[in-house]
Amino acid sequence: DVKVTQSSRYLVKRTGEKVFLECVQDMDHENMFWYRQDPGLGLRLIYFSYDVKMKEKGDIPEGYSVSREKKERFSLILESASTNQTSMYLCASSRSRGWGYFGPGTRLTVT
Amino acid sequence: AQSVSQHNHHVILSEAASLELGCNYSYGGTVNLFWYVQYPGQHLQLLLKYFSGDPLVKGIKGFEAEFIKSKFSFNLRKPSVQWSDTAEYFCAVNSNAGGTSYGKLTFGQGTILTVHP
Repeated sequence: DVKVTQSSRYLVKRTGEKVFLECVQDMDHENMFWYRQDPGLGLRLIYFSYDVKMKEKGDIPEGYSVSREKKERFSLILESASTNQTSMYLCASSRSRGWGYFGPGTRLTVT
Repeated sequence: AQSVSQHNHHVILSEAASLELGCNYSYGGTVNLFWYVQYPGQHLQLLLKYFSGDPLVKGIKGFEAEFIKSKFSFNLRKPSVQWSDTAEYFCAVNSNAGGTSYGKLTFGQGTILTVHP
C-alpha cells in the first residue's frame, strides 16, 4: 500500500519561530509537493520538487522554503512563522506523469 | 496561468438523490483531469482521473465524470448518493504542456457535499 507520511498531525508555534514540516514517501516517486489547504480556497501549491536537490516555486511560495536532500523526503520550512500561515499543510508525491498521493496533513496554528 | 472553478461551495442532498458537481478549467492545451475526495478526518484520495480516450470516466464508489473539451468542463456525477458520500470534493487539472508537467496540479475551491439520511 502506498504511503505518504507527515511528521506531525497538529502543530502549534509562536510568531517568529522557525518551523519544519517533514514529509516522507515510500513509493520511489520522482515528484513531491507541498500544498496548503484553506476553506473556500481549495489547495494551493507552495513548492514542488521533481528530483533530489531540485525545487520550483508554486503559486504561493512567499514566506516558505523547501529542502530535498533525499528522494523520499521533502521538507517545508517556515523561516519566521506568521499568523497568516496558520493552515492545513498537505504533502503529496507522484511519478513524473502520474497523479498525486497525499499525506494526512499537518494542521499548523501560529499564535 | 491555468485556473479551476467549482460552481458550488456547498451542496445538500437527501439519500438516493442524483448528484452533479460542476468543474470548469481555463487551460487551452492538453490537460489531465482529476476528482479527489476528502472524507471527514481522512486523507485526500483520488476518486477518478482522465488522461485520454473515452471522455466518460468511471471511478470508485459509483462516481463518474464526463470530459467535454469544447466546454472546458469535467463534471462529477453519481446517480444515487449515500450518506457515506458526505465529504469535500476537489476538481484538479494538470496541464500536460510538452509532457513534462511533473504531475503538478491546480485545484478548484472544493465543494462540500452533505447527504442527509
